[in-house]
Amino acid sequence: SQQGEEDPQALSIQEGENATMNCSYKTSINNLQWYRQNSGRGLVHLILIRSNEREKHSGRLRVTLDTSKKSSSLLITASRAADTASYFCATDKNDYKLSFGAGTTVTVRA
Amino acid sequence: NAGVMQNPRHLVRRRGQEARLRCSPMKGHSHVYWYRQLPEEGLKFMVYLQKENIIDESGMPKERFSAEFPKEGPSILRIQQVVRGDSAAYFCASSPPRGAGTEAFFGQGTRLTVV
Repeated sequence: SQQGEEDPQALSIQEGENATMNCSYKTSINNLQWYRQNSGRGLVHLILIRSNEREKHSGRLRVTLDTSKKSSSLLITASRAADTASYFCATDKNDYKLSFGAGTTVTVRA
Repeated sequence: NAGVMQNPRHLVRRRGQEARLRCSPMKGHSHVYWYRQLPEEGLKFMVYLQKENIIDESGMPKERFSAEFPKEGPSILRIQQVVRGDSAAYFCASSPPRGAGTEAFFGQGTRLTVV
């Protein structure tokens, strides 16, 4: 079974709005990472948050981690058309084997 | 510094043929990982290799699949006697020696279609 599960499966928003997606996982982790995948392309690493961290920012991205609830959220502020992609969370327990969820597909309408 | 290079980007094979997928890690990276992505799904771990060593192959199917990372040259994921169910995108990632919070960089993937 997959370790990370993203919610919602799909999200459609207007350009300029914020997009929030969540990730839940089952077992203890060392790190949680978020990736973006444009259609038919490879994965782009967005942000890594360690198990002892609660929040991280990178540009228009904000990631939170709640280890007590085994969940994380990714917020994209002021969305742009270029943010249209699938977003995956990935967890690792031992620093190498990443477990991915099925992803959230985000569509940003102009 | 070129990223992780995978080739070919697209590969079509008939059932029963062999597929060989190549991955050249980023310069300075000695660890390689292979993942498989089925349509509409996330990536599934297949195998983790260091130079000349398979560290973890717990995600590899027991038959027909093999992987290597020789001392010289790219890492190879080999699928013998391909079947339609092998059709997927195969991604390679590389990293320096792992420590807490080490980022893995992914290639663009090889999309295998078995006809």
